[in-house]
Amino acid sequence: AQSVAQPEDQVNVAEGNPLTVKCTYSVSGNPYLFWYVQYPNRGLQFLLKYITGDNLVKGSYGFEAEFNKSQTSFHLKKPSALVSDSALYFCAVRVSGDGSARQLTFGSGTQLTVLP
Amino acid sequence: KAGVTQTPRYLIKTRGQQVTLSCSPISGHRSVSWYQQTPGQGLQFLFEYFSETQRNKGNFPGRFSGRQFSNSRSEMNVSTLELGDSALYLCASSLTGTTDQPQHFGDGTRLSIL
Repeated sequence: AQSVAQPEDQVNVAEGNPLTVKCTYSVSGNPYLFWYVQYPNRGLQFLLKYITGDNLVKGSYGFEAEFNKSQTSFHLKKPSALVSDSALYFCAVRVSGDGSARQLTFGSGTQLTVLP
Repeated sequence: KAGVTQTPRYLIKTRGQQVTLSCSPISGHRSVSWYQQTPGQGLQFLFEYFSETQRNKGNFPGRFSGRQFSNSRSEMNVSTLELGDSALYLCASSLTGTTDQPQHFGDGTRLSIL
């Protein structure tokens, strides 16, 4: 069964500093990886995805993520954090095909707090 | 373009009742998925529908059911409600449902069971 691990429940960073939110995954086959953000009392908002190709993908609001196949990781990064980036971040994975593997499997989430 | 719309936003029910939640996908999107979000279990997949057909189902009891209509709108139903069904229920849509497409989420229905 596929799974996603976000090892940090909470990440604190000062405004203007770079931020990293970690994600590792486990799947059978080639993964499709996604990052979503959730603000209080809202649904999930898509940030970026990795399907194939360049290991560094760029997404919305200045976020980027690096796919590392050997380490089965897909860490989310931003060069300079904003207070408005404070939110709950989810990494998710799915694979192509039918059956249970096609469902989107989420990590447990990482609460990012950017301190002014 | 309007996003995914879920109604109602908030719902309070008592144990043993049943409930129906509604989801209108982004115009033109034909795939709809449902998720349950709780503090303890996180985000868990419920169902996926495409062109009125259930393509995939998560590991939930038969009390949880869903359907999709010809206009791609979807409903999910929970019968014989239990306290543990209290959660935020999220609906997501995508254009064709292929697994490389991102899903676009609504703001959810928060269901509270008394």
